[in-house]
Amino acid sequence: EPEVTQTPSHQVTQMGQEVILRCVPISNHLYFYWYRQILGQKVEFLVSFYNNEISEKSEIFDDQFSVERPDGSNFTLKIRSTKLEDSAMYFCASRAGAGAQPQHFGDGTRLSIL
Amino acid sequence: GNSVTQMEGPVTLSEEAFLTINCTYTATGYPSLFWYVQYPGEGLQLLLKATKADDKGSNKGFEATYRKETTSFHLEKGSVQVSDSAVYFCALRPGGNTGKLIFGQGTTLQVKP
Repeated sequence: EPEVTQTPSHQVTQMGQEVILRCVPISNHLYFYWYRQILGQKVEFLVSFYNNEISEKSEIFDDQFSVERPDGSNFTLKIRSTKLEDSAMYFCASRAGAGAQPQHFGDGTRLSIL
Repeated sequence: GNSVTQMEGPVTLSEEAFLTINCTYTATGYPSLFWYVQYPGEGLQLLLKATKADDKGSNKGFEATYRKETTSFHLEKGSVQVSDSAVYFCALRPGGNTGKLIFGQGTTLQVKP
């Protein structure tokens, strides 16, 4: 069964450094998402992406964050200058189409900011 | 606004016990409702879904019915197994074009032999 893959599984970065989290959504899916889960808290929506542009973003997704689909397969989340509070599990998800189609999630990248 | 509330965990059960994990929601419009499961060290997997009132989602012995009158989507299973030990997340997708999911806080289920 096709799946969403995320790399790396664990990223350790110094505060203030830039980090790029990578995702390969399921082929032929059209909608892409990033979520994060701070330890012990809810899974929170960050951003959705469709037709090569952001379709919705949360208030968490400030100017430090950006997303890109540089080619036909990858979907990346960049954090420009990381803060301690960015430490979390980051999940990528993709969805085939609109309507009742469910989102399929990757296994996540654990980001640790030192 | 839109929100999801799940019962506090952890829930600890013996094998073959009946499981209920409560989930209630607040939403504008006509949301779709989902249960996701996260096994240790893995990502979120869709367990079941319901897209309109009175729909029943079911999968792997788990069931949940979309109750608009009580704004609930409780997860049930008649006989749990040790392998069901995981974190269960209730989520809603608001009506309209937005595809984002709004999650509850998750409920940890531990099943003992």
